[in-house]
Amino acid sequence: DTGVSQDPRHKITKRGQNVTFRCDPISEHNRLYWYRQTLGQGPEFLTYFQNEAQLEKSRLLSDRFSAERPKGSFSTLEIQRTEQGDSAMYLCASRAAGTGLAGELFFGEGSRLTVL
Amino acid sequence: DAKTTQPNSMESNEEEPVHLPCNHSTISGTDYIHWYRQLPSQGPEYVIHGLTSNVNNRMASLAIAEDRKSSTLILHRATLRDAAVYYCILRDRPSGTYKYIFGTGTRLKVLA
Repeated sequence: DTGVSQDPRHKITKRGQNVTFRCDPISEHNRLYWYRQTLGQGPEFLTYFQNEAQLEKSRLLSDRFSAERPKGSFSTLEIQRTEQGDSAMYLCASRAAGTGLAGELFFGEGSRLTVL
Repeated sequence: DAKTTQPNSMESNEEEPVHLPCNHSTISGTDYIHWYRQLPSQGPEYVIHGLTSNVNNRMASLAIAEDRKSSTLILHRATLRDAAVYYCILRDRPSGTYKYIFGTGTRLKVLA
């Protein structure tokens, strides 16, 4: 399978714990996005990487959230001191370089977080 | 943030055409119109995109109004597998970024 893969698919944690999600984009894609989706809502943009550079962060991304893409390949999204409001599906997407405004996003199946 | 307006839900009978509307009255000249859909328990998937002219691909057709203030995604023969949430998105480049902004989309129900 050469699509976007995310791990873990499901995570249940207790309030106050830290969690980390991993995203492996399509190998030749240098653009990577993180989104968050709650029930009944569309995906909300969290952050965007071009290679290893984090070029944009949403104001939704509080100080408890951090994302990295150290070598421009896989990315991690860490949530510290989780709160019940962090319960959501965390989606990763990637896009090929040079596709500009017409570029197609390829999404993974998401990592579902439940905070008890 | 979303600059598109879509009906919350629509229904269609199986094997009939479906026209999913999207209003984007504030569209600018450089905005591309993208459509994605999200099947239950999956991430969104690309359907089609266009700029000014109507577009066709194996999944759907995109009809864009002459003034570009609205567009319609056309599924020529709906199947049960087309039941999904359909998102209409404008791709623009404010401040040199490439953010995709999703709204709440249209939930399509296909009746057997």
